[in-house]
Amino acid sequence: DTGVSQDPRHKITKRGQNVTFRCDPISEHNRLYWYRQTLGQGPEFLTYFQNEAQLEKSRLLSDRFSAERPKGSFSTLEIQRTEQGDSAMYLCASSYPGGGLAEAFFGQGTRLTVV
Amino acid sequence: QKEVEQNSGPLSVPEGAIASLNCTYSDRGSQSFFWYRQYSGKSPELIMSIYSNGDKEDGRFTAQLNKASQYVSLLIRDSQPSDSATYLCAVNPNDYKLSFGAGTTVTVRA
Repeated sequence: DTGVSQDPRHKITKRGQNVTFRCDPISEHNRLYWYRQTLGQGPEFLTYFQNEAQLEKSRLLSDRFSAERPKGSFSTLEIQRTEQGDSAMYLCASSYPGGGLAEAFFGQGTRLTVV
Repeated sequence: QKEVEQNSGPLSVPEGAIASLNCTYSDRGSQSFFWYRQYSGKSPELIMSIYSNGDKEDGRFTAQLNKASQYVSLLIRDSQPSDSATYLCAVNPNDYKLSFGAGTTVTVRA
């Protein structure tokens, strides 16, 4: 499977715990994005990497959130001290920029439930 | 004003009919426009991209773009039950970020 891969697919955690999600982009894609989607809404942009550099962070990304892409390949998104409001689908996407804005392809997502 | 707005739906169409989905966007400088299909509980799947004014056809799907009116649409011809999903309009207001609408849910009645 050469698509975007996310792990885990589902995560249930108690409020206050830390969680970490992983994303493996399509191999030739140098851009990687994290989005969050809640029920009935479209995905909301969280952050973006070009290679290993994190170039933009949304104001939605509070101090409890951190993302890394240490070698320009896979990325991790960590949420510290989870809150019930963090419950959502966390989506990773990747793209390869060329000739304008390239198409972004999404992984299967990680569904987080904070209890 | 939301960056991307879609007709709220839900939209119910009989099998074989045309489903018409509309989207407007606020950033006049946007250059790239996408339609994603999302089945319940699944992630968005890219089905169409359009960059120039006019129509773009791909199988049963036709995307239409009018930058002057800041309007994008998606037509689904010969709708099938497998087309039942939420359709998300996405716009690039800059080089990297996609702004999504809330989606329009389509139900195709057999």
